[in-house]
Amino acid sequence: EAQVTQNPRYLITVTGKKLTVTCSQNMNHEYMSWYRQDPGLGLRQIYYSMNVEVTDKGDVPEGYKVSRKEKRNFPLILESPSPNQTSLYFCASRGQGAGNGYTFGSGTRLTIV
Amino acid sequence: GIQVEQSPPDLILQEGANSTLRCNFSDSVNNLQWFHQNPWGQLINLFYIPSGTKQNGRLSATTVATERYSLLYISSSQTTDSGVYFCAALIYNQGGKLIFGQGTELSVKP
Repeated sequence: EAQVTQNPRYLITVTGKKLTVTCSQNMNHEYMSWYRQDPGLGLRQIYYSMNVEVTDKGDVPEGYKVSRKEKRNFPLILESPSPNQTSLYFCASRGQGAGNGYTFGSGTRLTIV
Repeated sequence: GIQVEQSPPDLILQEGANSTLRCNFSDSVNNLQWFHQNPWGQLINLFYIPSGTKQNGRLSATTVATERYSLLYISSSQTTDSGVYFCAALIYNQGGKLIFGQGTELSVKP
């Protein structure tokens, strides 16, 4: 089944403890992105990648890092999480070409206390 | 930047009723997607529709790109249709960025 898989689905952690949210897609897609969803602010792009080793900042990149060492994986790294990064996070991917839309992962609900 | 506006913000229906959700966008976009966010928070892709009309079961969508709007039709609504419906404009900068509307929250009562 074609899908984007995120892990974990839920995480409660403490301020300053490094964490990684993994994202993997099995569709050989070139483009991958991370979004966060917050009440009143909607969905906003954090980082994106256009292919292996090609990543760039989205609209709200502060406090996050990403890497794209393999085409299928695009982890989101919070090196020193803070409470304002409590949010619902989504990874998404799409193939190259005009006829392709985004497929989203199931989301990661992250709480930082 | 491009603005995406959805209406209505909230909608309550009786099971079996039909509804139309609207999405307006302020400038030309490369493409348009509709999503359903279910009560568990998952974003489900409904349609990828730059122009024209598509149908999938009880749902259909129409995008009129020249007039900068898209419509999502839900017929014979069911309680499982409840959730938030988002439209998102796809623009090719920033790796194909999606700009989301604020959503329409639909509640279908039995």
